[in-house]
Amino acid sequence: QVQLQESGPGLVRPSQTLSLTCTVSGASIRSGGYYWSWIRQHPGKGLEWIGHIYYGGDTYYNPSLKSRVALSLDTSDNQISLKLSSVTAADTAVYFCARVGQLADFDYWGPGTLVTVSS
Amino acid sequence: QSVLTQPPSASGTPGQRVTISCSGSSSNIGSNSVNWYHQLPGMAPKLLIYGYFERPSGVPDRFSGSWSGTSASLAISGLQSEDEADYYCAAWDNGLNGVVFGGGTKLTVL
Repeated sequence: QVQLQESGPGLVRPSQTLSLTCTVSGASIRSGGYYWSWIRQHPGKGLEWIGHIYYGGDTYYNPSLKSRVALSLDTSDNQISLKLSSVTAADTAVYFCARVGQLADFDYWGPGTLVTVSS
Repeated sequence: QSVLTQPPSASGTPGQRVTISCSGSSSNIGSNSVNWYHQLPGMAPKLLIYGYFERPSGVPDRFSGSWSGTSASLAISGLQSEDEADYYCAAWDNGLNGVVFGGGTKLTVL
């Protein structure tokens, strides 16, 4: 059974960099055919895709966030990392990591982690 | 403003059939698979339908997807109280080169 778990600081200061990690168990992020993704949800709002990353290094980013976001993989720890720079209160959200299936479907999700941007 | 358009709310009584629509364009629904998710309060979304109408293992056949042109729909038959949740459609968008979501539909079981 594939499981994902997000972790990282729950509070980030404005203008700082938000850094989150997603630890995957039950599957190897090096195994072919799957991208890994981050999605966020502002309080009381809908879902917003942040980006995808593939083991080979292929990445796709939401154009609205592209200048501030970076995804990376740590194959030794089977983790996917998210870095979002120059954060503001508008980046306060629950952040989810997810596995991406063959049809761009998010078939496994982590439980999510709330990140608040505040001084 | 979401790229995919869903009604903000829907409702039905137990046992009824309800449908939720998702409208897009030729660069997303018209070209790529639509996937549906439902989300209970405080929980992560869960994949309900992928590839327009396929159900992952464990999803009851009360849930079905359909598609025509640049629109898709999710139908829930035999509505149950536990179906009360938020429902989202999503698809890859060739123009944005990324995934776009609908704004979500809050389903209330009366």
